[in-house]
Amino acid sequence: QVQLVQSGAEVKKPGASVKVSCKASGYIFTSYGISWVRQAPGQGLEWIGWISAYDGSTNYAQKLQGRVTLTTDTSTSTAYMDLRSLRSDDTAVYYCAREGGSHQDYWGQGTLVTVSS
Amino acid sequence: QSALTQPRSVSGSPGQSVTISCTGTSSDVGGYNYVSWYQQHPGKAPKLMIFDVTERPSGVPDRFSGSKSGNTASLTISGLQAEDEGDYYCCSFADSYTYVFGTGTKVTVL
Repeated sequence: QVQLVQSGAEVKKPGASVKVSCKASGYIFTSYGISWVRQAPGQGLEWIGWISAYDGSTNYAQKLQGRVTLTTDTSTSTAYMDLRSLRSDDTAVYYCAREGGSHQDYWGQGTLVTVSS
Repeated sequence: QSALTQPRSVSGSPGQSVTISCTGTSSDVGGYNYVSWYQQHPGKAPKLMIFDVTERPSGVPDRFSGSKSGNTASLTISGLQAEDEGDYYCCSFADSYTYVFGTGTKVTVL
């Protein structure tokens, strides 16, 4: 069965960086992309970007462009999201999801990133 | 990219039908037949309920259906059940190979 397992919760200070991992299993990793989505406390879903696990091509939401980098390691079927220059409004649960071409069909359990001084 | 517009909340009694609207622009909802809907329960990850406007993933009850007209997509839940209570988000593929989510709708079963 398809599973996406994310790394644990993080607490960071403003200005720091965070790297969240997402390990995939149950399917051929390079046949799908991975999207990243975040949800601030009590708020809605916000699309961050996606990466092709086949060739590493990426697309990012304009709002986060320049601060976020998505990568994959095909040898371990793991995707990574790196977010820099953290601010308090980056506090959110970050989700990875398998990219089905026009939708996100399987989701990770989420990783809470807290930005606080 | 602005979030797609959804009603803040809808409610219905068990067995009734409710419809959630999702309004965007010609750069997202109106421009592509790639609207999806997600159900989210508190503290849980979203779950895909509808994709490509009308398609249901395996395992999703046929009580859930989707449609689209112009820049507005809709999700209808027929025969509302207690377990349908939760938050629902639409999502559309958009220009420049991006996605945009809706503002979210809380469904309450009375």
